[in-house]
Amino acid sequence: GAVVSQHPSRVICKSGTSVKIECRSLDFQATTMFWYRQFPKQSLMLMATSNEGSKATYEQGVEKDKFLINHASLTLSTLTVTSAHPEDSSFYICSARTPGQSYEQYFGPGTRLTVT
Amino acid sequence: EDQVTQSPEALRLQEGESSSLNCSYTVSGLRGLFWYRQDPGKGPEFLFTLYSAGEEKEKERLKATLTKKESFLHITAPKPEDSATYLCAVQAWTGANNLFFGTGTRLTVIP
Repeated sequence: GAVVSQHPSRVICKSGTSVKIECRSLDFQATTMFWYRQFPKQSLMLMATSNEGSKATYEQGVEKDKFLINHASLTLSTLTVTSAHPEDSSFYICSARTPGQSYEQYFGPGTRLTVT
Repeated sequence: EDQVTQSPEALRLQEGESSSLNCSYTVSGLRGLFWYRQDPGKGPEFLFTLYSAGEEKEKERLKATLTKKESFLHITAPKPEDSATYLCAVQAWTGANNLFFGTGTRLTVIP
């Protein structure tokens, strides 16, 4: 099946610093990738949709200047949390949509961000 | 407005005790309904996609079915390793291509 990786799996940073999370589709090309955020015992909330070669589309209430998304190639999307604060601590998960008409999305293993 | 409701919130089964999880949905034109399995601290693992009412798909002890209003995930003779949160998501023809998730059913299978 389609494999999506994320790096790092865990990161701890100090308040005010920036953190970059990478999402890669390992065995397929993904023109569209998605970034989600998940709080404990809650479901996934879509933050933004990332299309290769164009600007990301952010969901209502998500600060585009705080959560910078870059989709520079068909296999890599990055999420940078800028000037992180403790309330940004969360589980961030990316997904990639397989090409063609199946509309299937495959998820990465997630990144646990803790801001101290 | 798109809506996905999963029930029950939590389910405890004895090993071998078959049951079903429910996903009721309201969407303006269903493009696809997706089932995922999520283990604690990990990303969702893709299980099935269903596209039209009457469609069924199977994988090992799991079988997913779809009607115009709901989907069921049937678990036959579950094992402890089936313990996880099962997520249902819908994708609509209109608007963005994203998935809209339910809150999940947390399944625990007791040996």
